[in-house]
Amino acid sequence: KAGVTQTPRYLIKTRGQQVTLSCSPISGHRSVSWYQQTPGQGLQFLFEYFSETQRNKGNFPGRFSGRQFSNSRSEMNVSTLELGDSALYLCASSLGSSGSIQETQYFGPGTRLLVL
Amino acid sequence: GENVEQHPSTLSVQEGDSAVIKCTYSDSASNYFPWYKQELGKGPQLIIDIRSNVGEKKDQRIAVTLNKTAKHFSLHITETQPEDSAVYFCAASKGTSYGKLTFGQGTILTVHP
Repeated sequence: KAGVTQTPRYLIKTRGQQVTLSCSPISGHRSVSWYQQTPGQGLQFLFEYFSETQRNKGNFPGRFSGRQFSNSRSEMNVSTLELGDSALYLCASSLGSSGSIQETQYFGPGTRLLVL
Repeated sequence: GENVEQHPSTLSVQEGDSAVIKCTYSDSASNYFPWYKQELGKGPQLIIDIRSNVGEKKDQRIAVTLNKTAKHFSLHITETQPEDSAVYFCAASKGTSYGKLTFGQGTILTVHP
């Protein structure tokens, strides 16, 4: 079974631009979570989507947004890029359910974003 | 919110030695504790996880222990090999978190041949 895929793998943008990152979960997985990884702040949760609905959101400004499509693929968008947005953006997928048990998350390779 | 502290930040061992990484968490409602290994240029890979109804779990050379009272959990790697060299992250979560894992700051493990 194919793992989580993310595109593009590398991206260079300039301040003020916007960017869209894509994530395809493992086949059959319905939940997608996004994380930002930086040397200073480590791995931080951005948001989670299940059945095209955002169920949870981390402490990031409104410039960070996401969505999920009916095939469970997800995109995240960052508008008005700042230098501090340079990071590795990771998505993770899990089976997803409406229950209360935390499920195992499987991560993709990430998209490396550099903002100049 | 949940806070996870991880120690040490770096760990250097000789091949064949054991390595131990420790984490503490703040939210007593947390009930799921995964450990991830991240190699250079790759995303985190799950190596083992434990739930709060279990005190210890083993998988070959890797084991995790959980002390709910102390809000503390540890990763133990025995008979370390050079290919174990990587960054290891602990994380904590609870059922109502819906996808949110709170991660520790990571431990850079170096295994010298």
